[in-house]
Amino acid sequence: LAKTTQPISMDSYEGQEVNITCSHNNIATNDYITWYQQFPSQGPRFIIQGYKTKVTNEVASLFIPADRKSSTLSLPRVSLSDTAVYYCLVGDMEEDTGRRALTFGSGTRLQVQP
Amino acid sequence: DTAVSQTPKYLVTQMGNDKSIKCEQNLGHDTMYWYKQDSKKFLKIMFSYNNKELIINETVPNRFSPKSPDKAHLNLHINSLELGDSAVYFCASSPGQGYNQPQHFGDGTRLSIL
Repeated sequence: LAKTTQPISMDSYEGQEVNITCSHNNIATNDYITWYQQFPSQGPRFIIQGYKTKVTNEVASLFIPADRKSSTLSLPRVSLSDTAVYYCLVGDMEEDTGRRALTFGSGTRLQVQP
Repeated sequence: DTAVSQTPKYLVTQMGNDKSIKCEQNLGHDTMYWYKQDSKKFLKIMFSYNNKELIINETVPNRFSPKSPDKAHLNLHINSLELGDSAVYFCASSPGQGYNQPQHFGDGTRLSIL
């Protein structure tokens, strides 16, 4: 089963910029890339979505190269409250069946230190 | 106002019992989902309904039966509970079907099988 790949964990300090990369080699032509944030004991929360190049909103930026086989979530000037797990989501192609399925990445645990 | 609400928040029961989890969304969305998050934090989709019709049915034991009485509700009934069913179950909704629709998640139901 093809799936997305992210670093398991990252550490940062308050005020720094954090970049989290997700690999999605089998992304389909029509698929968007969506990132979610999850705090303990809560459901994932939508952060940002993009198709190509760059997307920016009030909380993050998303960079997508031309081949779209990866994406990078950029969090500017993180604070302690940004400590969470970050997931990328794409429609993924199953290698054995050719079927498309919703597949969350394994998630990246971001720890922000004071 | 809670957008996607699940009940109960915690569910502790014994092997072999039958239990239900309820989900309601007040966002006016057409599509609802059930996800399972295991102890390693992997989020896997189980089911998806669009306007009360089943559109995604992943490889899930037939002990799990979703029911959607209307497009604002998607309940999950589980028969003959097993130890491996212990997990956090998340309900989600999106404006429409399709992998590119941002999803809104509830805060989860933590199911523990004794």
